[in-house]
Amino acid sequence: QQQVKQSPQSLIVQKGGISIINCAYENTAFDYFPWYQQFPGKGPALLIAIRPDVSEKKEGRFTISFNKSAKQFSLHIMDSQPGDSATYFCAATIRGGGNKLTFGTGTQLKVEL
Amino acid sequence: DAMVIQNPRYQVTQFGKPVTLSCSQTLNHNVMYWYQQKSSQAPKLLFHYYDKDFNNEADTPDNFQSRRPNTSFCFLDIRSPGLGDAAMYLCATSRDPGTDQETQYFGPGTRLLVL
Repeated sequence: QQQVKQSPQSLIVQKGGISIINCAYENTAFDYFPWYQQFPGKGPALLIAIRPDVSEKKEGRFTISFNKSAKQFSLHIMDSQPGDSATYFCAATIRGGGNKLTFGTGTQLKVEL
Repeated sequence: DAMVIQNPRYQVTQFGKPVTLSCSQTLNHNVMYWYQQKSSQAPKLLFHYYDKDFNNEADTPDNFQSRRPNTSFCFLDIRSPGLGDAAMYLCATSRDPGTDQETQYFGPGTRLLVL
């Protein structure tokens, strides 16, 4: 019930293309869904986050799409750049539930020239 | 800039020799977390402090302990490191979970090597 399933495990995209990473959850009590970007040897950094009362949130080249009925959310990276090559983790948490993050398994993105 | 700082960035210890990792924050956040992250895996929560209240995860081994002497500092003590404890250890902070500020801010991590 607490799992967040993430796919794909790895992704190769050409420079300028669109990268899409998908996540699905079971626990309907989750009410905050952040995405973290992690470069090798660094800590995860918050990229973008969404609450279930909106279906889409865009920040620059990064967009989260959220489908509450399907219990799915996805990250879209437009105009992918080599500097976007990193591991991306989706996560979910329950407000007031100790703020404990349930992470997806991660997606290793490589953007090729 | 306000931030989460971890020291040291790299730590080498011997099998069974106690080690302490340090985290400090200038964000004045109520909550501090310790995660263990192994290669190609998601971070795994070990425990967290909500102010002075310690919250241990059920599957965190007794070998791992933590101290939070004040708001700014939190320590992770590994009493008898085993080879399986080699990992990246991440500290994170957040504001009061009861507010709208649920975002966790991570430090750069400490890479622990056990020989």
